[in-house]
Amino acid sequence: EVQLVESGGGWVQPGGSLRLSCAVSQFTFSDYWMDWVRQAPGKGLEWVANINDVGSESYSVESVKGRFTVSRDNARNSLYLQMNSLRVDDTAVYYCVRPAVFGARGFGYWGQGALVIVSS
Amino acid sequence: DIQLTQSPSFLSASVGDRVTITCRASQGINSYLAWYQQRPGKAPKLLIYDVSTLHSGVPSKFSGSGSGTEFTLTISSLQPEDFATYYCQQLNNYPLTFGQGTKVEIK
Repeated sequence: EVQLVESGGGWVQPGGSLRLSCAVSQFTFSDYWMDWVRQAPGKGLEWVANINDVGSESYSVESVKGRFTVSRDNARNSLYLQMNSLRVDDTAVYYCVRPAVFGARGFGYWGQGALVIVSS
Repeated sequence: DIQLTQSPSFLSASVGDRVTITCRASQGINSYLAWYQQRPGKAPKLLIYDVSTLHSGVPSKFSGSGSGTEFTLTISSLQPEDFATYYCQQLNNYPLTFGQGTKVEIK
């Protein structure tokens, strides 16, 4: 069974940094693009960023550009989201997600989520 | 950015009802449209991708259709476990975007 397990969430003051990790198992991690999606409390879903299978190409939503960096370590089967200059409106549950099947455009597998609270 | 507008935003229905949710895109997105179900406190679950392809393990009471800029999700016979919030998503252009959600509640 495909597993995605996020860690690293918590409380941070505005302007601070956090690094989220996503440990994956039961599939060949290096075959897949991987994404991060977030959901603010009581709000809808927002795509944050993604990275290609070898870690050489990434994309992100405008609101996090220059502040968030997505990376991966295929040897460790791990995905990361480095979040700097955090703002109150970055408060959300952050999900690590994988496509349904190789080449599919749809997030078929989700982690349990990591809660990030940005507050003074 | 491509805007996705779902209608309705809120839907009250009874067990056994046939329900249709519409997702309209601000520009064409080819066939890269997915639908998700989210129950309170849980991660979203993929129902359908590429407009009409059912994700593994998803019951056939869910179906998707559409093309260009207008897409629909249909639940053929609503069951208690289907009361949830549903989101559409376009994966044709960056940034990937979601609709605002449709909350399906029990009448």
